[in-house]
Amino acid sequence: AQKVTQAQTEISVVEKEDVTLDCVYETRDTTYYLFWYKQPPSGELVFLIRRNSFDEQNEISGRYSWNFQKSTSSFNFTITASQVVDSAVYFCALRGRGGSEKLVFGKGTKLTVNP
Amino acid sequence: GAGVSQSPSNKVTEKGKDVELRCDPISGHTALYWYRQSLGQGLEFLIYFQGNSAPDKSGLPSDRFSAERTGGSVSTLTIQRTQQEDSAVYLCASSFGRRSQETQYFGPGTRLLVL
Repeated sequence: AQKVTQAQTEISVVEKEDVTLDCVYETRDTTYYLFWYKQPPSGELVFLIRRNSFDEQNEISGRYSWNFQKSTSSFNFTITASQVVDSAVYFCALRGRGGSEKLVFGKGTKLTVNP
Repeated sequence: GAGVSQSPSNKVTEKGKDVELRCDPISGHTALYWYRQSLGQGLEFLIYFQGNSAPDKSGLPSDRFSAERTGGSVSTLTIQRTQQEDSAVYLCASSFGRRSQETQYFGPGTRLLVL
């Protein structure tokens, strides 16, 4: 069975602080795909990044960076110099190869960035 | 280009009534997914369409739930004899193809409240 755990339910930071959102996953598939989505107060899930299991290179996009470590089954997300607009619920998701095409989501981490 | 659209954005109904939720995927996307987001259960997969057929219906919670897709485009999720526990946000997503690496793009959701 596939499972995604986001142990941090809520995080509150002050603007300009760095913050890391944790994601730990479980799968028996040797090939799989990991995703991060952002859900702002408006409610729409916004795609942030996709990572393939065979590509462990970390990625940086502006203030966002992702650290993928197969050895610890983790795919953590860091926001550098957080801003109020980063306030949202962030979801980590997993999709295996073959079989069901569904995304398995973690419970989400609610991030509040205070001015 | 236009994203995934869903209608209605909000629906209030009485227990026992039937409801229909509509999803219009991104043009050219052959795969379509329905998910449900509720406070207690997080984001749950309901059903997946490839073209007009549904290879995976494993997430439908009961036989009161059904879905169809016509013309490889619009999909309708129908809930018969609604119950209060059906209250949730119903999210639709689409992807270009069915391969696991394809990113699913989500619509704004339909917020259903069953009184």
